[in-house]
Amino acid sequence: QQQVKQSPQSLIVQKGGISIINCAYENTAFDYFPWYQQFPGKGPALLIAIRPDVSEKKEGRFTISFNKSAKQFSLHIMDSQPGDSATYFCAASSRAGNMLTFGGGTRLMVKP
Amino acid sequence: ETGVTQSPTHLIKTRGQQVTLRCSSQSGHNTVSWYQQALGQGPQFIFQYYREEENGRGNFPPRFSGLQFPNYSSELNVNALELDDSALYLCASSKGQGDTEAFFGQGTRLTVV
Repeated sequence: QQQVKQSPQSLIVQKGGISIINCAYENTAFDYFPWYQQFPGKGPALLIAIRPDVSEKKEGRFTISFNKSAKQFSLHIMDSQPGDSATYFCAASSRAGNMLTFGGGTRLMVKP
Repeated sequence: ETGVTQSPTHLIKTRGQQVTLRCSSQSGHNTVSWYQQALGQGPQFIFQYYREEENGRGNFPPRFSGLQFPNYSSELNVNALELDDSALYLCASSKGQGDTEAFFGQGTRLTVV
């Protein structure tokens, strides 16, 4: 079974701090790495995605760092806000519209 | 909101029964994928439909089946429900077989008792 391993399972950050979530994958055929944000009772919402031809992508307060040789990627949330409190999932697939393999999720709590 | 709508939002069924969940894709999207998300876990891929044909399946038994209609809406059918089928079922739509992002609906919470 192809796997994506995500850590930590839970994270508590003070308002204004940096939240960092890490993921590692095994399948070298993966070519698309999105991050999803999920609030209770809602479906996952696409936050930001990266492809392995770049090492970093930034959108607003969210940054993905990608290390192809280590088969790892991470999400950084700068200036974390209480409204960012949610569960975050990394995922991977061979193409953007194809089967996504998800990590186990990180429950983020940002304290005021 | 993504424009992907699922119905019903909640459902309670008895073990052994059959259930049908529905998904309406975002406008312009002709590919639909279904995922099962158990409590506290990441979504697991069930299968994908493109232009009414199944073109990918995850590690789920045959009692999980689906359909996609000419208007690209979709159904997920589960027969002989088991207690472990209790989960949030998510539908995601994307555009064609090209390299475009998938957008998720809000899910159907299925409880099997």
